[in-house]
Amino acid sequence: NAGVTQTPKFQVLKTGQSMTLQCAQDMNHNSMYWYRQDPGMGLRLIYYSASEGTTDKGEVPNGYNVSRLNKREFSLRLESAAPSQTSVYFCASSEGISLNTEAFFGQGTRLTVV
Amino acid sequence: GQSLEQPSEVTAVEGAIVQINCTYQTSGFYGLSWYQQHDGGAPTFLSYNGLDGLEETGRFSSFLSRSDSYGYLLLQELQMKDSASYFCAPKGTGGFKTIFGAGTRLFVKA
Repeated sequence: NAGVTQTPKFQVLKTGQSMTLQCAQDMNHNSMYWYRQDPGMGLRLIYYSASEGTTDKGEVPNGYNVSRLNKREFSLRLESAAPSQTSVYFCASSEGISLNTEAFFGQGTRLTVV
Repeated sequence: GQSLEQPSEVTAVEGAIVQINCTYQTSGFYGLSWYQQHDGGAPTFLSYNGLDGLEETGRFSSFLSRSDSYGYLLLQELQMKDSASYFCAPKGTGGFKTIFGAGTRLFVKA
């Protein structure tokens, strides 16, 4: 009963390094999301994927890329990390983007860029 | 454009009732969800209102008025474990994405 699994849970990067955050869900959901959460800022949508094969920008896409590898997996890539990208990153999934369905969240990746 | 307003903090005593208000503006509107997040944890779903009116789930109720672009979460018989952040999240068109605001931090005192 894993739900949404994110890896890694913690990461420290140096400015300019790249990395990919992995996310997988086992609920056969169509839609997947990446959010970032900064203190006092709530959750801000980075990218989302309404269904396998499609991705779209959210509120704060700059500096990120995503790949919907298959229905289960949705990865987030930082090509050249910056201190402003220090945040907690949450992956989420839901059954359908246009339906009344709840979003299930992973436990988050705490990323620090120094 | 899109906007969300919630109080930043609310404090209440154990056993009391508290209401967390939310006003929103989205490009198109499907419904309003509420999520709870404890410190260090992930957001978890509480309720969804697709139609006007009150939805009740145990100690929690959520209300929506589409004409007023307004909703609220009502928490009854507050418990210490209810201390958390609460987010209203409208689901709109223009990509159908769910937007979260900064949330309301609820402190429950003994």
